[in-house]
Amino acid sequence: GAVVSQHPSRVICKSGTSVKIECRSLDFQATTMFWYRQFPKKSLMLMATSNEGSKATYEQGVEKDKFLINHASLTLSTLTVTSAHPEDSSFYICSATSRKTRADTQYFGPGTRLTVL
Amino acid sequence: EDQVTQSPEALRLQEGESSSLNCSYTVSGLRGLFWYRQDPGKGPEFLFTLYSAGEEKEKERLKATLTKKESFLHITAPKPEDSATYLCAASQGTSGSRLTFGEGTQLTVNP
Repeated sequence: GAVVSQHPSRVICKSGTSVKIECRSLDFQATTMFWYRQFPKKSLMLMATSNEGSKATYEQGVEKDKFLINHASLTLSTLTVTSAHPEDSSFYICSATSRKTRADTQYFGPGTRLTVL
Repeated sequence: EDQVTQSPEALRLQEGESSSLNCSYTVSGLRGLFWYRQDPGKGPEFLFTLYSAGEEKEKERLKATLTKKESFLHITAPKPEDSATYLCAASQGTSGSRLTFGEGTQLTVNP
């Protein structure tokens, strides 16, 4: 149980285009979903937290207009990187929490590798 | 400010050589202490949640323990497939499920 999927797993795009990444909780309803960014050999950097039907809460320094988050249902959240540039190239990971577990354990997706040319 | 510090940054072991990874935390009102395993190019895989000092949890060759200031991940007789980065994270009482992560320990087990 507690499986989270992400799509796509890899994406290459040209500078200036927008890219959408989907995060789904497959076998549970997610109380909250999180979006992280990870640089090589570094730990996870939280970008934003989203609850179903609410606006996302962004961490300090994360541009809301560049990283659009939509949490449409209890099983789906999307991250859209708008007008992507090479510096946006990174590994993006989502996670979801379940109402069933105490202390709201986060279950992570497999990640999406974004390369902007 | 909540802080989680992991040591060592990297650890090389021979197959069968047991050791421990450390996670020190400074979190007011700890709600949960989490251990994850991350393989290169993949998302973190959940291992354990510990809630209170004195608690221990085991899974195969891994055992996690918790005190009021730190957590240990003990690896008994490791195998090469245990090679990965192990991440520790803490959630604080008023922050909901938001996690503060350590920088991780990169474990390599040589055959």
